[in-house]
Amino acid sequence: DTEVTQTPKHLVMGMTNKKSLKCEQHMGHRAMYWYKQKAKKPPELMFVYSYEKLSINESVPSRFSPECPNSSLLNLHLHALQPEDSALYLCASSQEDSPYGYTFGSGTRLTVV
Amino acid sequence: GENVEQHPSTLSVQEGDSAVIKCTYSDSASNYFPWYKQELGKRPQLIIDIRSNVGEKKDQRIAVTLNKTAKHFSLHITETQPEDSAVYFCAAWRFSGGYNKLIFGAGTRLAVHP
Repeated sequence: DTEVTQTPKHLVMGMTNKKSLKCEQHMGHRAMYWYKQKAKKPPELMFVYSYEKLSINESVPSRFSPECPNSSLLNLHLHALQPEDSALYLCASSQEDSPYGYTFGSGTRLTVV
Repeated sequence: GENVEQHPSTLSVQEGDSAVIKCTYSDSASNYFPWYKQELGKRPQLIIDIRSNVGEKKDQRIAVTLNKTAKHFSLHITETQPEDSAVYFCAAWRFSGGYNKLIFGAGTRLAVHP
């Protein structure tokens, strides 16, 4: 298995809702990442988990809460989002804390209404 | 911190022509430079990469060159085809203790016209 799987593919949520994005990989990668991508922009790093521990938080607002239950799973919990949070959320994984084998998931297209 | 500049932002070529996209980076600690292709609505996909101890790498119609002294690296696509139309992102991996990260350029939208 050489893929990173993200669910759901599309999500529409209200500003008072709580939802979660899920990411899964079975490549034995020990680093996992969340990115946010707005239209016509590059992916913007949000969080990095290395060996299931949060190693980088790029000053992301607390309405985004990451979780790494085990080495294969990464979640992003969403609460009280704003319309400007609408974007494509990409998960990625790589071998340990390195760029090798860096693989992106297909993303979740999030719309906040 | 690291900064990656990418040019041009848009590039339009005729099918069969060559396309060149250029990037510069600021941090000499960067040592790995991947290129990603992102089609509309899809994930970024790695198309080629180069490590800092190599000056050039080629894979069929795609090649990447790296000039460490000038901190430049470039993507070359020969014999372009309509299916090469996409947004291309260069990136630089910066090793910095426990703060390693991939820094992306702003992207180049390539259009290949039949």
